[in-house]
Formats: sequence, C-alpha cells, structure tokens
Amino acid sequence: DTAVSQTPKYLVTQMGNDKSIKCEQNLGHDTMYWYKQDSKKFLKIMFSYNNKELIINETVPNRFSPKSPDKAHLNLHINSLELGDSAVYFCASSQDDGGGKLFFGSGTQLSVL
Amino acid sequence: EDQVTQSPEALRLQEGESSSLNCSYTVSGLRGLFWYRQDPGKGPEFLFTLYSAGEEKEKERLKATLTKKESFLHITAPKPEDSATYLCAAFTGGGNKLTFGTGTQLKVEL
Repeated sequence: DTAVSQTPKYLVTQMGNDKSIKCEQNLGHDTMYWYKQDSKKFLKIMFSYNNKELIINETVPNRFSPKSPDKAHLNLHINSLELGDSAVYFCASSQDDGGGKLFFGSGTQLSVL
Repeated sequence: EDQVTQSPEALRLQEGESSSLNCSYTVSGLRGLFWYRQDPGKGPEFLFTLYSAGEEKEKERLKATLTKKESFLHITAPKPEDSATYLCAAFTGGGNKLTFGTGTQLKVEL
C-alpha cells in the first residue's frame, strides 16, 4: 500500500496547455503539501493545506491552483503552462504534530515543450 | 530569509571509506533539523530529526549530529546501497515549513 501516491508519474505537454496532478494519502494525516524540485535538486514548498484549509502559499504564480476536496487529497492544477514550469513536483503529507517529518510521494516529472 | 547550505555538492567514496556531509543553516527560530535520503526517481525519505545542539541520532551506518550553526551526517564504512542524495532541512514552525538545502549526491563504489 503506497502511503502517498501521485499521478501521473510523467507529464509531457506543450506551452500554454492546462494540466492537473493528483495526490492522495492513506496515512490519516491532516496536512498535505506541494513541493517543487528544480533541475539542481532544490526542493521548495509551494503550498500546504491543513484539513482542507490553505495554510502556506509561497510566492507561486496564480497559474498554480491547489484544490483539496477532502483531507486525504490535494490536487494541483496548472494553467497556461510555461517552459519554466518544467520540474519535478512532489506531494507530501504530515501529522499536525509531525514537526517537519514529511512523507513524500514519488513525484511527477513535468516537461513543458 | 532562512537559508540552508549543504556541502559538498557531490561526494564519491570507496566502499568502507568513512566521511561526513555538512549542513549549515541560518534560520530564525530553529525548531528541528531534518535529514532525508532521496533515491533517483523517488521522493525524499525521512532519516532523522535533531532538536537541540549536542544531540546525536544513529541509524545503521549513519549518524547525525547538531551544533548551533550546522549539522553533520557521518557515514561509517559506507556500502554501495548508501548511494543517494542526502538532503537536510530546517524546520521553523509556522505551518510546518521546511527549508531544504540543495543536497549532497553521494556515490559509493566497490
């Protein structure tokens, strides 16, 4: 049983398209996150949700919109994709008192052509 | 702004050759220093949390230590299966926010 699963694993698309990445966790955690990892392996937080409520929204373009239908799911929708959006996107979850102990999904490699 | 810096960027070791990875941090109100391991094509996997200067944690061939300005991940007699990217991250609270370093890519050869 995969604890944090995200789909798709690979996403190749053209500039200007709209795409979504889905994430689900079966750990019973209340907090979920989206992280972006660039080509230099730098991992940066984009959003965090606690029990469906947005907690952290780093300086991310408005084209990125997270949606949490319930506390086990956090999806990421990206409008008008740009070349610079190419990266690996990771979903993660933690307990409220996890203090930074995150459980990550296996990532979605997004390539914008 | 919170900053976490790791060195070296890449490290090549022979099997059995012990070494240390460095993580220096400049953050406001450190609440925990985390180490993660990341294998190619996978998400980071939690290894350790250190909360206060002087604290040490061990797991198999890995030992993590913490001072007021940096953390070290010591690898004793590494094996090829220890090859991975090791990430450190500073937790400063405020919505469970982790600031990651750029990692050290470790390769252990036979």
